[in-house]
Amino acid sequence: SSELTQDPAVSVALGQTVRITCQGDSLRSYYASWYQQKPGQAPVLVIYGKNNRPSGIPDRFSGSSSGNTASLTITGAQAEDEADYYCNSRDSSGNLWVFGGGTKLTVL
Amino acid sequence: QLQLQESGPGLVKPSETLSLTCTVSGGSISSSSYYWGWIRQPPGKGLEWIGSIYYSGSTYYNPSLKSRVTISVDTSKNQFSLKLSSVTAADTAVYYCARVGSDHAFDIWGQGTMVTVSS
Repeated sequence: SSELTQDPAVSVALGQTVRITCQGDSLRSYYASWYQQKPGQAPVLVIYGKNNRPSGIPDRFSGSSSGNTASLTITGAQAEDEADYYCNSRDSSGNLWVFGGGTKLTVL
Repeated sequence: QLQLQESGPGLVKPSETLSLTCTVSGGSISSSSYYWGWIRQPPGKGLEWIGSIYYSGSTYYNPSLKSRVTISVDTSKNQFSLKLSSVTAADTAVYYCARVGSDHAFDIWGQGTMVTVSS
């Protein structure tokens, strides 16, 4: 399968913890990577591999995976975390890349 | 610090070919065995992977676009390019180029370029 499924929208109270999930058969074979996109800006990689953060990404962002589901967790969400989040991985064949449909995170 | 910059026409007529170039600066496109990719985002919609190319020239394309897409690399100019033929209004989008780094993640992105298909 070459599809990754995300909830369209999630909300979290300021300072609380939120988990954004991504489901797909390919996640049994490949790690998901996660991207944050704010309006009018290019996506920014926030998590890749088992649970790796690029330089400059706050440690409140973490990733995990179980079976066909990958999760991005934001511990202590901040107002600046309000954005669209996309997951991405190789597909099950390993020859293609695929993105999830995106999750709009609202910080209340 | 590696940077990517897309360039090309912002307006393309229906049925014509969209051509974009991504210029890599701050590093060599042929070093360290990276993949390089194109991703697009229609207005108000999500990200769509178009295709990826290895520095040696091997290509992988989204099956939904494969019949219309060509991605190539020019190591002498430190650039890689996208051609999308027979465009329609549905191809109107922001087009991004990006590097594929560790664990197949797109770790460095260009700023994106808006391409509108209209007569």
